Amino acid sequence: LAKTTQPISMDSYEGQEVNITCSHNNIATNDYITWYQQFPSQGPRFIIQGYKTKVTNEVASLFIPADRKSSTLSLPRVSLSDTAVYYCLVGDNTNAGKSTFGDGTTLTVKP
Amino acid sequence: GAVVSQHPSWVICKSGTSVKIECRSLDFQATTMFWYRQFPKQSLMLMATSNEGSKATYEQGVEKDKFLINHASLTLSTLTVTSAHPEDSSFYICSAVRGTGPSSYNEQFFGPGTRLTVL
Repeated sequence: LAKTTQPISMDSYEGQEVNITCSHNNIATNDYITWYQQFPSQGPRFIIQGYKTKVTNEVASLFIPADRKSSTLSLPRVSLSDTAVYYCLVGDNTNAGKSTFGDGTTLTVKP
Repeated sequence: GAVVSQHPSWVICKSGTSVKIECRSLDFQATTMFWYRQFPKQSLMLMATSNEGSKATYEQGVEKDKFLINHASLTLSTLTVTSAHPEDSSFYICSAVRGTGPSSYNEQFFGPGTRLTVL
């Protein structure tokens, strides 16, 4: 399973755009990249998933360069409620999506 | 769609007793479910892969006789913590995989977690 590396923590202010980068140097050809958000005492919640280039949904964008060795989650105009831990996962489809959680990035949004 | 529930949401038990945690996929069938454990301020640690109709696959270092997993149907997996001790106190989270095979990505949907406290 591909190992991921993220910054341990980030601070931001309300209304700013936040970019969290994840490194996954040994990503395999069949692997997808998925980002989850987790609040304290809750299960992770799906944010966005991609394979290459750029993916955008109603809450975030995901940028993946051509070599796919990293990815960047972009959260536009964050609010206090976006304070959470964000995990980047690289999933091996041959194992039914079995993935290993890295340490995650604790994002703190300040007023 | 894609809702996963866990029951109970929290449980307190005495040392030496066994506790069963249920994980259900409410609106889809899941041949595969995963069980994770999360200690305070730490990431999720994969404990085992639960496969419908077959034995679970445990990660290295996880005692299969202590953490019994049963995946009797396509919508239900159970984790039983046997002879629980205070060090087993943790947040247990399951996920259910919804997928259509190798041609598409198998998405994981997570349950809300179960807080286990062993006195």
